Amino acid sequence: AQTVTQSQPEMSVQEAETVTLSCTYDTSESNYYLFWYKQPPSRQMILVIRQEAYKQQNATENRFSVNFQKAAKSFSLKISDSQLGDTAMYFCAFRGNYGGSQGNLIFGKGTKLSVKP
Amino acid sequence: DTGVSQDPRHKITKRGQNVTFRCDPISEHNRLYWYRQTLGQGPEFLTYFQNEAQLEKSRLLSDRFSAERPKGSFSTLEIQRTEQGDSAMYLCASSLTDMVGYGYTFGSGTRLTVV
Repeated sequence: AQTVTQSQPEMSVQEAETVTLSCTYDTSESNYYLFWYKQPPSRQMILVIRQEAYKQQNATENRFSVNFQKAAKSFSLKISDSQLGDTAMYFCAFRGNYGGSQGNLIFGKGTKLSVKP
Repeated sequence: DTGVSQDPRHKITKRGQNVTFRCDPISEHNRLYWYRQTLGQGPEFLTYFQNEAQLEKSRLLSDRFSAERPKGSFSTLEIQRTEQGDSAMYLCASSLTDMVGYGYTFGSGTRLTVV
C-alpha cells in the first residue's frame, strides 16, 4: 500500500527567508502524481503545486518549488521569500494510477509552518 | 461557480444521534470524494463517486456511515448512532475524471463534534 511520510510536524521560518518541507512516499508504481496542499487555520485546503512522476523537471509556481527525487521517493517543497500568509498546515499527497489508490489522494500527516515577522 | 460547498459548517450532536452532511461539488465535476480529518492529522479517504456510482469505500467507512449521490450532483454523508470517535472534520472534494492528475478542489468542511 502507498504511504506518505512527513517527518517534520512543525517548522518555523522568519519572514522573507526560505524554508524546505520534507516528504517521502512509498509506492511500487512508476507513474503517479504528487501534490502539496496548504490548509490555513480554519480555511479550506488549496493546491499549492503538483508534479507528474514521469516528468523529470521540478515543478515551480512562483515562490513555491519542489525537489522531486524519484529514485529516492522524495518530494520536498521549498518556499522562498516566506510571507506571513504562508502560515498554514502543509500536506504532501500522492495519487497513483492503479489499484486501490486509483480513486483517492493519500495524504501525509502534515507539517505546521509558522512564518514569524 | 462558487467552488465546492459543504453544509453545515459546524454540527454538534449528542452521542447516539444521526447526522447528515451535504456536499455540492463544482457543477461540471463528475467525481466527488469524502475525507475525514482529525485534529493534527492529514485527511483520510472515506469514499468516492463517479457520477452517481460509488466506486470505492475505505475500511474506515463503518456500517454506520453511508454516502449517496443520487443524481450525480450533490452528495450526502450520513452517520448513524454517532460516537465520540466520529468527532472530526469531514471534507468533500471534487474533480473531473480526466483531470485527477491536477488535484482535487476541496470544500471548507463540516466540523462534527459529538458530545
